[in-house]
Amino acid sequence: AQRVTQPEKLLSVFKGAPVELKCNYSYSGSPELFWYVQYSRQRLQLLLRHISRESIKGFTADLNKGETSFHLKKPFAQEEDSAMYYCALNFGNEKLTFGTGTRLTIIP
Amino acid sequence: DAMVIQNPRYQVTQFGKPVTLSCSQTLNHNVMYWYQQKSSQAPKLLFHYYDKDFNNEADTPDNFQSRRPNTSFCFLDIRSPGLGDAAMYLCATSRVWTGRRSNEQFFGPGTRLTVL
Repeated sequence: AQRVTQPEKLLSVFKGAPVELKCNYSYSGSPELFWYVQYSRQRLQLLLRHISRESIKGFTADLNKGETSFHLKKPFAQEEDSAMYYCALNFGNEKLTFGTGTRLTIIP
Repeated sequence: DAMVIQNPRYQVTQFGKPVTLSCSQTLNHNVMYWYQQKSSQAPKLLFHYYDKDFNNEADTPDNFQSRRPNTSFCFLDIRSPGLGDAAMYLCATSRVWTGRRSNEQFFGPGTRLTVL
């Protein structure tokens, strides 16, 4: 079955500490993976996608096909990073399947 | 700014009373999606329109219907809302074409539905 798993519902990190939000998937094909973010009282928006290989707001994510993971990382957390983060997977069509999300709280 | 607009932002209805939520977009995207999101859960796709073609998810209840009269507008109709239908409803759009079937989805702010 095609599935996206985010094992942590809540994650608290001190400001300036490294952040890693975990995402694992199960899919036998070639996935396309995304990270979406929802800041307080704002709409859900794309943070980054694996095919772009870019860094957005200091976040990066590498697709590891061997471990079927797409973890989101940032070396130094900032208070404005507090938000809800969703990993999403495209299974070769125009639809996305979302993980259950991780609420990240940055402690000042 | 090009965007996805949802109206109303908050909707209160009575048990069993039909309700319609609306979504419009100025992005000229060919695909429009409706998601249901309950508290602390992932957005769950209800259905989507790929151009004029309607695509229903297998587990979407018959109580939920959708209309897309033109490229810019899409409606979600709940024929007989139950207490379990109280949720945030998200509309999203995307530009998709043959050879590029996955792309960024742009979300509206959502409509929070309360069922009394």
